[in-house]
Amino acid sequence: TQLLEQSPQFLSIQEGENLTVYCNSSSVFSSLQWYRQEPGEGPVLLVTVVTGGEVKKLKRLTFQFGDARKDSSLHITAAQPGDTGLYLCAGRNNRLAFGKGNQVVVIP
Amino acid sequence: NAGVTQTPKFRVLKTGQSMTLLCAQDMNHEYMYWYRQDPGMGLRLIHYSVGEGTTAKGEVPDGYNVSRLKKQNFLLGLESAAPSQTSVYFCASGNKADTQYFGPGTRLTVL
Repeated sequence: TQLLEQSPQFLSIQEGENLTVYCNSSSVFSSLQWYRQEPGEGPVLLVTVVTGGEVKKLKRLTFQFGDARKDSSLHITAAQPGDTGLYLCAGRNNRLAFGKGNQVVVIP
Repeated sequence: NAGVTQTPKFRVLKTGQSMTLLCAQDMNHEYMYWYRQDPGMGLRLIHYSVGEGTTAKGEVPDGYNVSRLKKQNFLLGLESAAPSQTSVYFCASGNKADTQYFGPGTRLTVL
C-alpha cells in the first residue's frame, strides 16, 4: 500500500494570506496529482506532475514535485475564499493512491 | 456533454437490503472506477474497469460487485448492505490511466 501523508489536515487563514500544504510518502511515484474537492461534489483534477523537481503554476497555485518523486507541495499565493476546499494528492505507480486531504478554509 | 453522472444522489438502506449504484459517462472513456470516501480514510478504490466487459478488484472490494456491460456504464452492486458500507461513493472515468473525471457522488446510509 502506498501511504501518502498530507499535512496539515486542516488550515484556516485570512483572505490575502499565503499558504503551503504538503504531501509526503516513503514511496517513489511515476506521477503525482493534486485535486480540489468542494462540499457535496467530486474531486476535480488541478495538475499532474511527472518529473522530479518539476514546478507547475495554475494562476495563484504553485505545485512542486520533490526531486526524489516521493513528495509534493502546493503553495497558494494571496488566498481567496474561492480557494476553500479539500485538496487531495494522489500518487501513481501501478494504481492511483489518494491521501486523506488538506482541508483549507479561507476566511473573507 | 454531461460528463460523469451518478444515480441516485442519496439512499438509505436497511441492513441486508441490496441496491445498485449507476454510473454513466458520455465522454467515450475506456477506464472507469468506483471509490468510497470516508472521514479520516480518504478515497479508496473499490473496483475498476479498463474497458467494456472487464472488471478488476481495487483496494476494498469485499461486499461489492460490479459490471461493465456497456462502455458508458459502470454499475456497483451491494448484495447485502452492512452499516460499514455507509459512505459517499464516487465514480470516475478517464481515457488514460492517470486522468480521472469524477462524478458528484452518492451518499449511502445503511441502518
